[in-house]
Amino acid sequence: KQEVTQIPAALSVPEGENLVLNCSFTDSAIYNLQWFRQDPGKGLTSLLLIQSSQREQTSGRLNASLDKSSGRSTLYIAASQPGDSATYLCAVRPGGGTYKYIFGTGTRLKVLA
Amino acid sequence: DAGVIQSPRHEVTEMGQEVTLRCKPISGHDYLFWYRQTMMRGLELLIYFNNNVPIDDSGMPEDRFSAKMPNASFSTLKIQPSEPRDSAVYFCASSPWTSGRVTYNEQFFGPGTRLTVL
Repeated sequence: KQEVTQIPAALSVPEGENLVLNCSFTDSAIYNLQWFRQDPGKGLTSLLLIQSSQREQTSGRLNASLDKSSGRSTLYIAASQPGDSATYLCAVRPGGGTYKYIFGTGTRLKVLA
Repeated sequence: DAGVIQSPRHEVTEMGQEVTLRCKPISGHDYLFWYRQTMMRGLELLIYFNNNVPIDDSGMPEDRFSAKMPNASFSTLKIQPSEPRDSAVYFCASSPWTSGRVTYNEQFFGPGTRLTVL
């Protein structure tokens, strides 16, 4: 059974710092992995999606990497800003044709001004 | 595009009452998902549809929950009768199979419905 873990559960950093959020999954047979951002009381906003055949995806200050063999993905945020404060979730779509995404519990990020 | 639309945004009801949550997916998307989010269990997939057909409802907690998608632009999630433990935020999401600009299988979430059952 696929399990998705995100550590740490919470993180506080000063503005301007580069940071890495981690996502681990137990079964390497995945179809893709998606990173989301969730602001308090709001829905999820898609940040990046990495197909199983890809190693990384970039969008602006965000870079997501995928290492299927080790069951890990990282989200790198460069030059963090207070506006980056939110909860970041990763979701794995397992292989085998299902669309039954499995979500991690998220990392709550606070960027201090 | 207006994005995924959900209504109502907030619902407060009493135990035993019927609750109906509504979702309008993004036009042209082939997949529709219903999720539930709680502090204790995080985000859980309840059911998903492909081209209006339910594909996997193994996440639906009990027979009290039912979901329908009568057409490509509308879906409902119904709870009857509701119980206090159903209190959560319910999200609807949709996903295209493929699109010129958008990576296929990317999920787009609605703003959610916050349900409180007293």
